[in-house]
This record gives sequence, C-alpha cells and structure tokens, in this order.
Amino acid sequence: GENVEQHPSTLSVQEGDSAVIKCTYSDSASNYFPWYKQELGKGPQLIIDIRSNVGEKKDQRIAVTLNKTAKHFSLHITETQPEDSAVYFCAAIRTGANNLFFGTGTRLTVIP
Amino acid sequence: DAGVTQSPTHLIKTRGQQVTLRCSPISGHKSVSWYQQVLGQGPQFIFQYYEKEERGRGNFPDRFSARQFPNYSSELNVNALLLGDSALYLCASSLISASGTSEQFFGPGTRLTVL
Repeated sequence: GENVEQHPSTLSVQEGDSAVIKCTYSDSASNYFPWYKQELGKGPQLIIDIRSNVGEKKDQRIAVTLNKTAKHFSLHITETQPEDSAVYFCAAIRTGANNLFFGTGTRLTVIP
Repeated sequence: DAGVTQSPTHLIKTRGQQVTLRCSPISGHKSVSWYQQVLGQGPQFIFQYYEKEERGRGNFPDRFSARQFPNYSSELNVNALLLGDSALYLCASSLISASGTSEQFFGPGTRLTVL
C-alpha cells in the first residue's frame, strides 16, 4: 500500500516569512495529492491540491509543487500570517482507490 | 451551501458499550468516507460508501461497521468499545465515481472518548 512521509513535524516562522512542508510517497500510481489545514477542534479543510499531470499549482499565497520522478511534493506558503497557524496534512491517492493516505502532519506556528 | 455535517459533536462512552455516529454529506455528493484520527496523527481510512454500497474498507476490526442511506447520509457503528477507540471520527464526502478520484471534503468530526 501507499506510504506518505511528511517533514518537518513542527515548523515555526516569523510573520511574513515563507514556510515549506515536504512529503514523499511510495506508490508511483498515486496521481492526486491534496493538502489539508486542520485547526484545533475542527476537521481538515482542503486548501489546495495537485494532480500528476501538472508540476505546480498556485492559489494566492499557497503553492504546491510535484516531482513525480522523485515521488515528492511540497506545500509553500508565502507571506505567512498568524491565522496560518495550524496543523497541515499532505495526502495521496491513486485513481480507483478508495482512501486517502495521509502524512503525519506538520504543526505550523507563525510568530507575530 | 451547507458543508458536511456530523453528529454528535462529542460523545463519552465506557468500555464495552456501542456507539453510532452520523454524517450528512454535501448536497449532491454520493460518496461518504469515514476516517479515524487519533491525537497527533493523520486520519486513517475506515470505510467508503458510494451509492449505498461499501466500496472500501481499511484495516479495522469487524467491531466497526457502517451503512449509507438512500439520501446518502451515513452511520458509523462501533461495538464493544475499547479505550483505544478514543479518537476524532471524521466523515468526508465527495463526488467520486466508482472509477474516478475527486476532492474529499471533511466534516468537523465527532470526538469519541472511551472511559
């Protein structure tokens, strides 16, 4: 089955700086990679996703890159704000599969 | 539009009891998936239902069961509760077809505590 690894487990940045979270996956058939933000006491919120037919996707301050050859993908948050503080999860799934495989999460703290 | 809704929000049970958790998907979504999230970890897949049929099952014991109703809402049942069943139970809905992949949107979860 798929195995998703995520680093770092914790990340602290100054407000306005950039944050990068990296994930690797093991199943070369995986072709959909969503990122979720989970705030305390809430369910995961889909913030951006990427499919294997593109290498990069951007939505305002958030971007995701995918390297299929190396089987890794990354989340980039620029101009971080205190409200970006949360736990971020990467996930992977292949077409026809039933379940998302999640990473172990990154706790991001943005220091004002 | 309402998102995924789950009830109850919190639940406290004792070992050996049974629990039923409920989920209503986003309007128009026909697929519901259940995940268990233990504190400090990522969600782990339990079940997926599509068009009222089970489409996938994760590595969970038979004490866990689920069903989906004609209106696409779903229930997750856990029998003979163990302390280790304490977790946040998440429901996700999607437009997924039997052969495709689409976004999964999560509800707020039900926090289950087993004493």
